[in-house]
Amino acid sequence: NAGVMQNPRHLVRRRGQEARLRCSPMKGHSHVYWYRQLPEEGLKFMVYLQKENIIDESGMPKERFSAEFPKEGPSILRIQQVVRGDSAAYFCASSPRAGGQEQYFGPGTRLTVT
Amino acid sequence: QKEVEQDPGPLSVPEGAIVSLNCTYSNSAFQYFMWYRQYSRKGPELLMYTYSSGNKEDGRFTAQVDKSSKYISLFIRDSQPSDSATYLCAMGSNAGNMLTFGGGTRLMVKP
Repeated sequence: NAGVMQNPRHLVRRRGQEARLRCSPMKGHSHVYWYRQLPEEGLKFMVYLQKENIIDESGMPKERFSAEFPKEGPSILRIQQVVRGDSAAYFCASSPRAGGQEQYFGPGTRLTVT
Repeated sequence: QKEVEQDPGPLSVPEGAIVSLNCTYSNSAFQYFMWYRQYSRKGPELLMYTYSSGNKEDGRFTAQVDKSSKYISLFIRDSQPSDSATYLCAMGSNAGNMLTFGGGTRLMVKP
């Protein structure tokens, strides 16, 4: 049973470019969460999605960041016009039920902005 | 003040030792508690999940929750060099969907 998959594992972007991060949840999981881990800091919640719906985006920066989880295909975290401060590890987690419990994490995407 | 406090370590112990890792929290709304293990440059791996005060055991790992003191612990018996990693506590409430993480404790088990 495959775990949570994320790609790419490493992504390098120049300032001003767009970054697209993909996440495929575990089989049977319809709840997806995105977290960001900055250097020397803990994991911070960004957004919670179910299929075709954003449920909670309270941790998402107001500008440049967006997320989706379409009916078909992976969840996408999109960062427009990246800046150096966006350099971080971005983790996706999935859960079999609502409520935030039992979240299983993917390997992460390490974004470097040059 | 952070909602979840965790000593960053590093904590260095000899192989075979009993390890105690702890977190304190301030939000009394937290109802469920998790421990994750994260190896360098990898994703967090769920180790233990508890919903109530008391103890939960799984192999060499025991999770303990004391809601009255807002204090949780993870004990690792017979520690192995392969246990060397960063251990993250995480917690959530029934009112929300997110997990709030501690900063992690780096553990080193020396052969």
